[in-house]
Amino acid sequence: DGGITQSPKYLFRKEGQNVTLSCEQNLNHDAMYWYRQDPGQGLRLIYYSQIVNDFQKGDIAEGYSVSREKKESFPLTVTSAQKNPTAFYLCASSPAGGGRNSPLHFGNGTRLTVT
Amino acid sequence: GQQLNQSPQSMFIQEGEDVSMNCTSSSIFNTWLWYKQDPGEGPVLLIALYKAGELTSNGRLTAQFGITRKDSFLNISASIPSDVGIYFCAGFNAGGTSYGKLTFGQGTILTVHP
Repeated sequence: DGGITQSPKYLFRKEGQNVTLSCEQNLNHDAMYWYRQDPGQGLRLIYYSQIVNDFQKGDIAEGYSVSREKKESFPLTVTSAQKNPTAFYLCASSPAGGGRNSPLHFGNGTRLTVT
Repeated sequence: GQQLNQSPQSMFIQEGEDVSMNCTSSSIFNTWLWYKQDPGEGPVLLIALYKAGELTSNGRLTAQFGITRKDSFLNISASIPSDVGIYFCAGFNAGGTSYGKLTFGQGTILTVHP
């Protein structure tokens, strides 16, 4: 079955450590996205990538970094510079064009807890 | 970044009741989407709306794209326990530099009592 796989489901880290969240898709989608979800808030866009080897900052990119070396993969690194890293992180993908027939498909998320 | 105002924030209803929720924006969108998120999982697309005034149904769900293009509504008829979850609206402008970047509402938490 085609889909988006995020791993791990739960991640625990000590403050000051960088951590990388994995996102893999086999939908052959060109575009991939990372969103952050906090209780009582909508999803907020961290980074997105329209094509391999290219990515753009979203609304809350500070303290995060990404890479897009392969079409299928879009890992997110939460750095020690991120002030409030504890959150639920969602990866998504969509077909090329970003047009009307390109709604986002989401993975099942990674819950990161930093203590 | 901009946000959508989604209301109500939460709803507690009895099984069998109808549900209504809405989203408003200060900006115009040319596409409105409604997603449902079950606990611990990613959002799943329920309905997509592409034209002002459009009314679209998906089973017991009906959504409308407001005429002003600044709002959208979702109705659920005859609710059942599995309707429990968080419902998100999302707007975006297809094409151009926005390229599928969605703006999300804060979500409506729905609880259905049997």
